[in-house]
Amino acid sequence: KNEVEQSPQNLTAQEGEFITINCSYSVGISALHWLQQHPGGGIVSLFMLSSGKKKHGRLIATINIQEKHSSLHITASHPRDSAVYICAVDSGGGADGLTFGKGTHLIIQP
Amino acid sequence: DAGITQSPRHKVTETGTPVTLRCHQTENHRYMYWYRQDPGHGLRLIHYSYGVKDTDKGEVSDGYSVSRSKTEDFLLTLESATSSQTSVYFCAISDLAGQETQYFGPGTRLLVL
Repeated sequence: KNEVEQSPQNLTAQEGEFITINCSYSVGISALHWLQQHPGGGIVSLFMLSSGKKKHGRLIATINIQEKHSSLHITASHPRDSAVYICAVDSGGGADGLTFGKGTHLIIQP
Repeated sequence: DAGITQSPRHKVTETGTPVTLRCHQTENHRYMYWYRQDPGHGLRLIHYSYGVKDTDKGEVSDGYSVSRSKTEDFLLTLESATSSQTSVYFCAISDLAGQETQYFGPGTRLLVL
């Protein structure tokens, strides 16, 4: 069973700061997902990646397959970025769902 | 947004009663998943389906059953609800296993008294 660890668990920062959230996993994967869960509870997929780096707006996700590690970066953070960010991995490329980290609770203060 | 809905959105029930949660999609995606989310845990897979009438167990399947008689509907049943099944339940869908984004429903908050 893949173990997914996220750090930090909680993060409070000021508006405009550069944010980094880390994710490590124990077993090789076929893909890694970053998800965002807003205070209202809805879950939205931000990125799916299996190598390298992806960028969408102010969000950047990177993955190092050899190190079994991924990072999610937020540039020029804004209070609307406040949410729980969840890392999830697909270990086998099969149909049996994802294994999730416990999430990082991010608060951006104005 | 992917067309995925869950019903009911909130439910309060008593221990020992049966409960059925419904996930409905309009995307014609092959794969459907039920997860539960609890404080201190990440989302955990209960059951999944890889086609009509094709289902399998996930990590925390005890006390739950599922059915998928149509592509668009995936039902989760708690045969006899227990307080430990108080949770938020999320349905998710994807078109390809493993290499495809999963889209999540809005969640169902279930309280078992």
